Amino acid sequence: DGGITQSPKYLFRKEGQNVTLSCEQNLNHDAMYWYRQDPGQGLRLIYYSQIVNDFQKGDIAEGYSVSREKKESFPLTVTSAQKNPTAFYLCASSMWERGPQHFGDGTRLSIL
Amino acid sequence: AQTVTQSQPEMSVQEAETVTLSCTYDTSESDYYLFWYKQPPSRQMILVIRQEAYKQQNATENRFSVNFQKAAKSFSLKISDSQLGDAAMYFCATNAGNMLTFGGGTRLMVKP
Repeated sequence: DGGITQSPKYLFRKEGQNVTLSCEQNLNHDAMYWYRQDPGQGLRLIYYSQIVNDFQKGDIAEGYSVSREKKESFPLTVTSAQKNPTAFYLCASSMWERGPQHFGDGTRLSIL
Repeated sequence: AQTVTQSQPEMSVQEAETVTLSCTYDTSESDYYLFWYKQPPSRQMILVIRQEAYKQQNATENRFSVNFQKAAKSFSLKISDSQLGDAAMYFCATNAGNMLTFGGGTRLMVKP
């Protein structure tokens, strides 16, 4: 079945550590996105990519980095510069830039 | 910048009854989509319904329908014959501005 796979489901970060969240899709979608969701809040866009080897900052990119070396993969690194990383992270993809987005199951990141 | 406002933080409905969730948005664009997403306790984001702004006819998906008022920039979701499985957070969103902008969400509770 086609879909979006995020891993791990739960992740813990130590002080000063960088962690990477995985997002893989087999939907053959061109565009991919990363969102952050805080408790009781909506989604905020971190980064998005419309094509391989290209990505754009969203509303809250500071402290995060991404890469898009393959169409299927869009990993997100939460760096030590992100002082409040505890949140739920959702990856999404869409067939075209403004099409409906399909979401993965999310990764919950907590600080140890 | 686009904004999406959901003025009802919580709503409740009796099973088998009808409920309407409100959403207003602001954009200067004329060509865009509007979406309603459902987020159950599992935290998955599930696309419920979408509406193209250039279409006057309101979208319908089984028990879910929208009331789209373009001039008023209003996009409400009507859920008919509510079921216990409809209990979730509901997010309104628009892709005006090349990014998906979400409202803050409405928590829907369904009473048996």
